Amino acid sequence: GAGVSQSPSNKVTEKGKDVELRCDPISGHTALYWYRQRLGQGLEFLIYFQGNSAPDKSGLPSDRFSAERTGESVSTLTIQRTQQEDSAVYLCASSLDGSSYNEQFFGPGTRLTVL
Amino acid sequence: AQSVTQLDSQVPVFEEAPVELRCNYSSSVSVYLFWYVQYPNQGLQLLLKYLSGSTLVKGINGFEAEFNKSQTSFHLRKPSVHISDTAEYFCAVSDTGRRALTFGSGTRLQVQP
Repeated sequence: GAGVSQSPSNKVTEKGKDVELRCDPISGHTALYWYRQRLGQGLEFLIYFQGNSAPDKSGLPSDRFSAERTGESVSTLTIQRTQQEDSAVYLCASSLDGSSYNEQFFGPGTRLTVL
Repeated sequence: AQSVTQLDSQVPVFEEAPVELRCNYSSSVSVYLFWYVQYPNQGLQLLLKYLSGSTLVKGINGFEAEFNKSQTSFHLRKPSVHISDTAEYFCAVSDTGRRALTFGSGTRLQVQP
């Protein structure tokens, strides 16, 4: 079946602009995660959605970052007033039910470049 | 709080040689441990995971890892590598209280002919 998809694959923007990144999880997966991967570094957790529960936003680096999820489907990550340090690959993952032991399936990522 | 340390940022190795990629973690509770691989221009995929039971875990593509609780380690091994194993390898940890994964900074395995 289809895996996790993300769009756009690449995004170049100017400092100060807002950007929206999209994630389509695997159908039937109730848990959805956003991570950020800066060049040469590991993945940093940003936010986690599980069903209709309140999202875990503990990883969001500033109030310029926000995310929404429509039911158990599409999620959008919004970065307002982008800064150069926001340049990174943004990865989305989904898992069956959010249990800590379940495999997370990752999308190909969106490479964001802030000029 | 959890943390994961991958001491080797790069590991060059010749084809058919054995390799070990090191991973150490810290956590105050019982953990679940994972190794993910990221091939060039591809997304992350799961190699193997440790949940409980036998401390030696076998994964895809001939990789295995051993959980050592006393040393808080989860090193990844392969007895004979191939050119196609060239990739970035990430160790990650989660626990019952934290759904998200905490990742190490990654180890780039470069297999040379």
